[in-house]
Amino acid sequence: KAGVTQTPRYLIKTRGQQVTLSCSPISGHRSVSWYQQTPGQGLQFLFEYFSETQRNKGNFPGRFSGRQFSNSRSEMNVSTLELGDSALYLCASSLGDSSEQYFGPGTRLTVT
Amino acid sequence: GQSLEQPSEVTAVEGAIVQINCTYQTSGFYGLSWYQQHDGGAPTFLSYNALDGLEETGRFSSFLSRSDSYGYLLLQELQMKDSASYFCASNTGFQKLVFGTGTRLLVSP
Repeated sequence: KAGVTQTPRYLIKTRGQQVTLSCSPISGHRSVSWYQQTPGQGLQFLFEYFSETQRNKGNFPGRFSGRQFSNSRSEMNVSTLELGDSALYLCASSLGDSSEQYFGPGTRLTVT
Repeated sequence: GQSLEQPSEVTAVEGAIVQINCTYQTSGFYGLSWYQQHDGGAPTFLSYNALDGLEETGRFSSFLSRSDSYGYLLLQELQMKDSASYFCASNTGFQKLVFGTGTRLLVSP
């Protein structure tokens, strides 16, 4: 069974631009969560989607948004990029409310 | 607020046993998970404790005490490949994981 895939793997953007990251969960997994990882703040929860509905949201500004499609694939969007948005963005999928989340390899975003 | 505290670094030798502690303070606690992350890699699930007590999975064991807001990960028969960062994470509902600060484990020959 294929794992969680994320595209693109690396991205360089300029301040003020926007970016869209994509995540394809493991087949059959309906829950997709997004996390931001930085050296200073560690791993922080962004939001979670289940069956196209956002069920939970972390403490990030409204510039961070996401959605989930009927095939469970998910995208997250960051608008008006800031230097502090440079991070590794990880998505994780799971079977509903399973205790185990499977992480993708992440998208490394650099904002210059 | 929500916080999970872990030691920043632990060192051990091959074949030894090491324990990584995690104390937590979170609102809405459903259980404690442990994840391993190698440099440049993604976190991978190790174990989960929803109830008090010990869970054993091969060389790894995890313990939870809800009354003490405390848990630990025990790694036995350490191998070089166990050198990685280890994170405890509180499941606070609807798949929201609040991660600890992370513990870097260095295993030497």
